[in-house]
Amino acid sequence: NAGVTQTPKFRILKIGQSMTLQCAQDMNHNYMYWYRQDPGMGLKLIYYSVGAGITDKGEVPNGYNVSRSTTEDFPLRLELAAPSQTSVYFCASSYPDRALGTSVGTDTQYFGPGTRLTVL
Amino acid sequence: EDQVTQSPEALRLQEGESSSLNCSYTVSGLRGLFWYRQDPGKGPEFLFTLYSAGEEKEKERLKATLTKKESFLHITAPKPEDSATYLCAVLRTSGSRLTFGEGTQLTVNP
Repeated sequence: NAGVTQTPKFRILKIGQSMTLQCAQDMNHNYMYWYRQDPGMGLKLIYYSVGAGITDKGEVPNGYNVSRSTTEDFPLRLELAAPSQTSVYFCASSYPDRALGTSVGTDTQYFGPGTRLTVL
Repeated sequence: EDQVTQSPEALRLQEGESSSLNCSYTVSGLRGLFWYRQDPGKGPEFLFTLYSAGEEKEKERLKATLTKKESFLHITAPKPEDSATYLCAVLRTSGSRLTFGEGTQLTVNP
C-alpha cells in the first residue's frame, strides 16, 4: 500500500491564482481530512469528509473548497490565492470503527507527506 | 472548545539523558489522545493512541501515559535519531476531528 499520497510536493502561486491540491489513499478509509500547518504551529483542520459525497467544514475553511466523489480521492481547491494561504498542507485518512458500529477499524489518522505552498 | 497545550516548546537533551514531554488537554468527553512524531519536511507519523486514564503504551525508547488532565511522553536514554517534533492531539467522544497542540521540538545531541 502506498498509504496517503499528495501532489504536488511544492508549488508557488501568484496572488489571485487558483489551484487544486491532490490527495489519494489506498487503504479504503472512509474518513479523509485536510489540515494546514504554519511554521511553529500545530495542525489546523480545513475540511473533512466522512465518505463519498459528504464533506464538512473544519476550523479554517475560508478560501478553500473540497469535493469527495470517490472513497480514494479528496482534492482541496484554492480559489483566488492569498499570501495568508502560504502554508504546508497535509491530507490524512482514517477508518473509525464508529462509522460502522463495529469493533473493526481505528480512530488513528494517517498523514500524507504534505504540499508546501507559497503565495507571492 | 477543545484545547491542547504542550510543554516545553523546545527541549534539548544530551544522548542518554532521559526526560518527559507534557500534553495538557481540555475536552468534553475524551475518546482518545494521540501522539505523533514529525520530522522536518514530512507528515506526522503515528506513535500511540491512549483511550483511558491510567493507560500506558511503549515503543522502543518512548512510553506514553495518560491521566484525566494530561499525557506524558517519556523518553528513556534518547538517541540523536529521536530528534523530531512531537505532536499531541485529542479526539472527543462526540466528534471526528482531532485538536492538535503546537508540538514540542526535541533535539538530542550526541
